[in-house]
This record gives sequence, C-alpha cells and structure tokens, in this order.
Amino acid sequence: GESVGLHLPTLSVQEGDNSIINCAYSNSASDYFIWYKQESGKGPQFIIDIRSNMDKRQGQRVTVLLNKTVKHLSLQIAATQPGDSAVYFCAEKGDNFNKFYFGSGTKLNVKP
Amino acid sequence: NAGVMQNPRHLVRRRGQEARLRCSPMKGHSHVYWYRQLPEEGLKFMVYLQKENIIDESGMPKERFSAEFPKEGPSILRIQQVVRGDSAAYFCASSPLGENSGNTIYFGEGSWLTVV
Repeated sequence: GESVGLHLPTLSVQEGDNSIINCAYSNSASDYFIWYKQESGKGPQFIIDIRSNMDKRQGQRVTVLLNKTVKHLSLQIAATQPGDSAVYFCAEKGDNFNKFYFGSGTKLNVKP
Repeated sequence: NAGVMQNPRHLVRRRGQEARLRCSPMKGHSHVYWYRQLPEEGLKFMVYLQKENIIDESGMPKERFSAEFPKEGPSILRIQQVVRGDSAAYFCASSPLGENSGNTIYFGEGSWLTVV
C-alpha cells in the first residue's frame, strides 16, 4: 500500500518564526493531500488541503507546497504561535474511495 | 453545526470483555471511517462504511473486530474479547461523499480504550 513519511519527527521553533514541516509520499498517482493538526488528547483537525493539479495553496498563516516530481509535500506556518504546538500529519488519499494514509507525524514545539 | 460525535471518550475494559465505540457523523455526511492510533504513531485506516454497507474493511483485524453503520443510529465499532494490545485511540471520521473524488474527511475527538 501507499506510505507517507515525515523527515523530521520533532521540530522546535521560536515564537514568531516560520515553521516548515515536510512530508514524503510514495504513490505518484495520489491526487489529493491533507494536512491535519492534532493536539494532545484531541482528534485530528483539518488545516489545509491540496490537489495534485496545484503546486501551492495558501490559507490563513499556512501554505502547502506540493512537488510531484520528488513526491514531497510541505506545510509552512508563518509567525508561529504557542497555540500552533501540536503534532502535524500529512495524509494522502489512496487509490480506492476516500481512504487516507497517514504519516507518523511531526511534533511542533513553539518556544516562547 | 455539530461535528463528528464519538462516545464514550474514555473506556476501560478488562481483558476478555467487549468494547463498543459509537460514532455519529456530521450532519449531511453519509460515509464513516474508523482509524486507530497507537501512542506516538499516526492513524491507521481500519474500515470505511456507508449506511448498511461496508465498503472497505482492509484495515480491520480478521478476528474480534467488527463495524456497522445501520440505517438508523450511529456507526459502531465492536471489539470482542479485548486484549491489552487493543488499547489505543479510535477515531471516527465522516465525509459527505465517498466516491473516488477526494473529499475531505473530518474527525471526531476520539475514543480512548484502555484494556487492563
């Protein structure tokens, strides 16, 4: 099956700095990706998504970049805040239906 | 607009007992997914259901686990004869459509099962 992996398991940044969380995926046919944020004891919260016909999508303080050539996805968070501290997952839609494959996550620590 | 509702949030069971986890999808959503998460790990797909129909159960263990989504009422994930290895967080998600069109799935707050 597909696999989604993250380069950095833990990322520490200073409050106010920009954060970049990376993700690699293995299925070149995947056409839809989602970034989720999960705080301790809570469910994954949708942040932003991107389809394979795009290479960049921006939201409020977040930007997702997709590089299909190297099968790489990144999440950029501008002016990181303490409330951004959480585990971030990228999810890749599989070939069948709406089944998503998740990476192991990157823990973001924001230092005040 | 209520989100995906799961209950119970926390459940403790002794080895050999049964665990039943319930999930009510978001209003207007007819597709439900169950994922399992072990501590410090990502979410693993278990099963995808429509009303009265299991679409994909490729992630479900062959024994002791079952899921249903009846015409009326919530989706239920049932674990029989629980063992300590079943201790995990179980997340339910829902989407309005399940076709191969790439629809965002929204998660509930999870049910944390502890087997003692």
